[in-house]
Amino acid sequence: DAGVTQSPTHLIKTRGQQVTLRCSPISGHKSVSWYQQVLGQGPQFIFQYYEKEERGRGNFPDRFSARQFPNYSSELNVNALLLGDSALYLCASSLSPHGEQYFGPGTRLTVT
Amino acid sequence: EDQVTQSPEALRLQEGESSSLNCSYTVSGLRGLFWYRQDPGKGPEFLFTLYSAGEEKEKERLKATLTKKESFLHITAPKPEDSATYLCAASMIKAAGNKLTFGGGTRVLVKP
Repeated sequence: DAGVTQSPTHLIKTRGQQVTLRCSPISGHKSVSWYQQVLGQGPQFIFQYYEKEERGRGNFPDRFSARQFPNYSSELNVNALLLGDSALYLCASSLSPHGEQYFGPGTRLTVT
Repeated sequence: EDQVTQSPEALRLQEGESSSLNCSYTVSGLRGLFWYRQDPGKGPEFLFTLYSAGEEKEKERLKATLTKKESFLHITAPKPEDSATYLCAASMIKAAGNKLTFGGGTRVLVKP
């Protein structure tokens, strides 16, 4: 079975630009969560969506937004990029709202 | 404030030299304690979930245990392929959605 997939793999953007990251969950999983991982640190929770509704939001500014589609895939949008947004963005899916989370390979975002 | 702390930050082992990684947590109402393995540039790979004090789980050379304040990941007779960063994360009953609070990780290097 295919695991969680994310696209693109790598991305380079300039300060002030906007970016959209995409995630497809494991087949049958209805929950998608997004995390940001800065080099050398553990992942930080950004959002969780379950059945297309936002179930949780971490301590991130309003420049970060997300949505989930009817097929349970998800997009993370970041506006007005800052240098500090450079990180590995991870998507995780789970069967249920509080189930075990399985992570994708991540999208490496570099902001210059 | 909910907090997860891992020690040591880095661990160098000789092949076959068993050791333990520590994950201490200060959370209000633990739903579950998760262990992940992460290779450089990749997403975390799920290893174990522990739900109650006294619980133990094993997978090959890895064994995870849980007490009321901390969890241990024991690596028995490690091999070079066990080299990775090991992350622990806590899910709290009162947390937003399926939020996982991660520790900073322990980087393990196993030399042949």
